[in-house]
Amino acid sequence: GQNIDQPTEMTATEGAIVQINCTYQTSGFNGLFWYQQHAGEAPTFLSYNVLDGLEEKGRFSSFLSRSKGYSYLLLKELQMKDSASYLCAVRDQNTGRRALTFGSGTRLQVQP
Amino acid sequence: AAGVIQSPRHLIKEKRETATLKCYPIPRHDTVYWYQQGPGQDPQFLISFYEKMQSDKGSIPDRFSAQQFSDYHSELNMSSLELGDSALYFCASSPGRGGRTDTQYFGPGTRLTVL
Repeated sequence: GQNIDQPTEMTATEGAIVQINCTYQTSGFNGLFWYQQHAGEAPTFLSYNVLDGLEEKGRFSSFLSRSKGYSYLLLKELQMKDSASYLCAVRDQNTGRRALTFGSGTRLQVQP
Repeated sequence: AAGVIQSPRHLIKEKRETATLKCYPIPRHDTVYWYQQGPGQDPQFLISFYEKMQSDKGSIPDRFSAQQFSDYHSELNMSSLELGDSALYFCASSPGRGGRTDTQYFGPGTRLTVL
């Protein structure tokens, strides 16, 4: 199975940069996803990494190191609307699953 | 762009009753996933279907069953409801096998409350 760890909560200031880390342990890594979830709403896809390196998408970037079992999501120019939970999710081909296993999420609070 | 549609959005049931949740995937998506998210918890995978066949099974209780129909919509049937079944139930769809990411896109969820 997978163990996925993320910080529970983070606080940052509007306009700043924040990095949310995720570590995982899996036997057949086949991709890591980041989702944003506002309270009571559906998770919204942010990014996908399967190879090592940085994927940039506007104000959001995601990094992956497979050898370290480590990823981070970088949010730049923070806005108040970025206050949400950020979920790291892993897909493991060895379990035969295309389903995702989610971490517990990081609740980000953006302050003025 | 069309998104995943779920119905109903809210459902209130009593213990031991049954419930049916429906999911309509994004057009041309052939894979459907069901997740359960309890209060303050991360989504837990229940079951998935590819081309109308069950493809993966997660932590779905025996009291629950699901299927995918010829038009690719899916239904989650829940029987003998318990208080602990109160949760948000998300359906997600993806384009299926092939493609670089096979990203899952989530519907708005059905909030089930069991009294």
